[in-house]
Amino acid sequence: EVQLLESGGGLVQPGGSLRLSCAASGFSFSSYAMSWVRQAPGKGLEWVSTISTSGGTTYYAASVKGRFTISRDNSKSTLYLQMNSLRAEDTAIYYCAKEKEGWFDPWGQGTLVTVST
Amino acid sequence: SYELTQPLSVSVALGQTARITCGGNNIGSKNVHWYQQNSGQAPVLVIYRDSNRPSGIPERFSGSNSGNTATLTISRAQAGDEADYYCQVWDSGTWVFGGGTKLTVL
Repeated sequence: EVQLLESGGGLVQPGGSLRLSCAASGFSFSSYAMSWVRQAPGKGLEWVSTISTSGGTTYYAASVKGRFTISRDNSKSTLYLQMNSLRAEDTAIYYCAKEKEGWFDPWGQGTLVTVST
Repeated sequence: SYELTQPLSVSVALGQTARITCGGNNIGSKNVHWYQQNSGQAPVLVIYRDSNRPSGIPERFSGSNSGNTATLTISRAQAGDEADYYCQVWDSGTWVFGGGTKLTVL
């Protein structure tokens, strides 16, 4: 069974940093691109970032480019999202998802990031 | 940047057919994917590449895509289908979601 388990969320002050992790199991992690998608409280889904199988190619939404860095460790089957210069508008549940040919399946259960004083 | 437009809400009587639209410029030339999100849960893929159902998704769920509109159709709607639904496409190195539609089963 494919499983994605996010961790690392929490409360952080504006301007602070946080690193999210997503542990994958049940599939050949190194064979798939991986992504982060977020959902602000009461709002819709927003794509954040995607990384290629090798990690050599990354993509970012304009709203996070220059502040967030996606990476992966294929030896540990783990995806990461380093978030710097956090803002109140980054408050959201962050989901990791396996990406295949443009769609996301499956998704993890998400980890909540709250940016507030 | 590419934009997808969904109605905020759609209502359907129990056992009837619900249709949720997703509008975009020449969306018919793109692959459209649909997700169901129940309250407090992670999204689940219900349709990929316009009209394909992942394993485990009931045949009641179907999709179509042409011109400027893609449509998710849910036949014989059940109470358990009440959820938020999102369309999504890939466009020039970005992954784009529609704003989401809340489906209410009456």
